[in-house]
Amino acid sequence: AQKVTQAQTEISVVEKEDVTLDCVYETRDTTYYLFWYKQPPSGELVFLIRRNSFDEQNEISGRYSWNFQKSTSSFNFTITASQVVDSAVYFCALSLYNTDKLIFGTGTRLQVFP
Amino acid sequence: DAGVIQSPRHEVTEMGQEVTLRCKPISGHNSLFWYRQTMMRGLELLIYFNNNVPIDDSGMPEDRFSAKMPNASFSTLKIQPSEPRDSAVYFCASRPRQENIQYFGAGTRLSVL
Repeated sequence: AQKVTQAQTEISVVEKEDVTLDCVYETRDTTYYLFWYKQPPSGELVFLIRRNSFDEQNEISGRYSWNFQKSTSSFNFTITASQVVDSAVYFCALSLYNTDKLIFGTGTRLQVFP
Repeated sequence: DAGVIQSPRHEVTEMGQEVTLRCKPISGHNSLFWYRQTMMRGLELLIYFNNNVPIDDSGMPEDRFSAKMPNASFSTLKIQPSEPRDSAVYFCASRPRQENIQYFGAGTRLSVL
């Protein structure tokens, strides 16, 4: 069975701090995709990144970076120099290659205080 | 470009009433998904369509729920009769054929009193 675990329910930081959101996944398949979505207070789900299981290169996009490690089944998300606008719930998700289903973690609520 | 459009954004109804949620996917996308988000169960997939055909409805909670996709630009999720435990945020998402990324609408917040 497939599963995504986000052990951190809530994280609070002060602006300009770096913060890492953890994601651990479980699957026996060798081909799969990993995702991060952001849900700001307004409620919509915003796509941030997709990674396939064959690409373990870390990715950086502005203040955002992602660390994918198959050895530990983790796909962690780091925000550098956090800002109040980063306050949101962040979801990690998994889908298998031959299905369209997204399996979501329970989300991590990030609060960034000024 | 317009994203996934859901209507209404908020719906308040009384137990026993019929509720219809609507979704317009992104033009050119061939897959459409309905999700439900609750505090207890998180985000869960209810049903999805490929090329307007229902592929997997194993997440639909019970017979009171039904979904249709009469054409490539429109889908509905109907609850009849509604119950208080159906209160949740319902999301629609669409995905293009050539890319495994689902794009979500803003959601419909349903309250059944």
